[in-house]
Amino acid sequence: SQKIEQNSEALNIQEGKTATLTCNYTNYSPAYLQWYRQDPGRGPVFLLLIRENEKEKRKERLKVTFDTTLKQSLFHITASQPADSATYLCARISGGSYIPTFGRGTSLIVHP
Amino acid sequence: EAQVTQNPRYLITVTGKKLTVTCSQNMNHEYMSWYRQDPGLGLRQIYYSMNVEVTDKGDVPEGYKVSRKEKRNFPLILESPSPNQTSLYFCASSLFRSQGGYEQYFGPGTRLTVT
Repeated sequence: SQKIEQNSEALNIQEGKTATLTCNYTNYSPAYLQWYRQDPGRGPVFLLLIRENEKEKRKERLKVTFDTTLKQSLFHITASQPADSATYLCARISGGSYIPTFGRGTSLIVHP
Repeated sequence: EAQVTQNPRYLITVTGKKLTVTCSQNMNHEYMSWYRQDPGLGLRQIYYSMNVEVTDKGDVPEGYKVSRKEKRNFPLILESPSPNQTSLYFCASSLFRSQGGYEQYFGPGTRLTVT
């Protein structure tokens, strides 16, 4: 079965540094990988989507990379701020499927 | 304001008492879905709908029903709730693209407790 794995340990970093979160998948490459932000008690909010034929996508301070050889996507937040503290979810969508598979999320804590 | 709304936000009920959680979106999205989120398990899709009168099972459909009579509404029905359905539920919607890759807009969540 398709799996998607995110680091369950919280990532603690200092304000101003770059946060890097990892999403690993098994089996064949997904057609798409999505990244969402979730704050406690709230619904996930869509951030970025990257297709399997793309290596990198950017949006303001956010950057997502997709390495099909390593079966991995990296999510970067540059110049991190305490307001970036949240749980970040990765989701894979395979071609022809309408059922996204979500990772369990990684908690990011940015210290002032 | 573009949004997905769910009601109720919190619900405590007893085993076997039928309940419905409503979901409505005002973005004219074709695609809607329901998820449950449990600690250590992440978000899991229960049912999805690609348009009016078109619904299909997700990963964990047992014990749930849905209907899609109107484009904007997608209620989740628990005919006979059991304690293992205690969870945080999210409704989501998105534009339907045949090649996928859609970004989903999530509702605020419904915390359900079944005793």
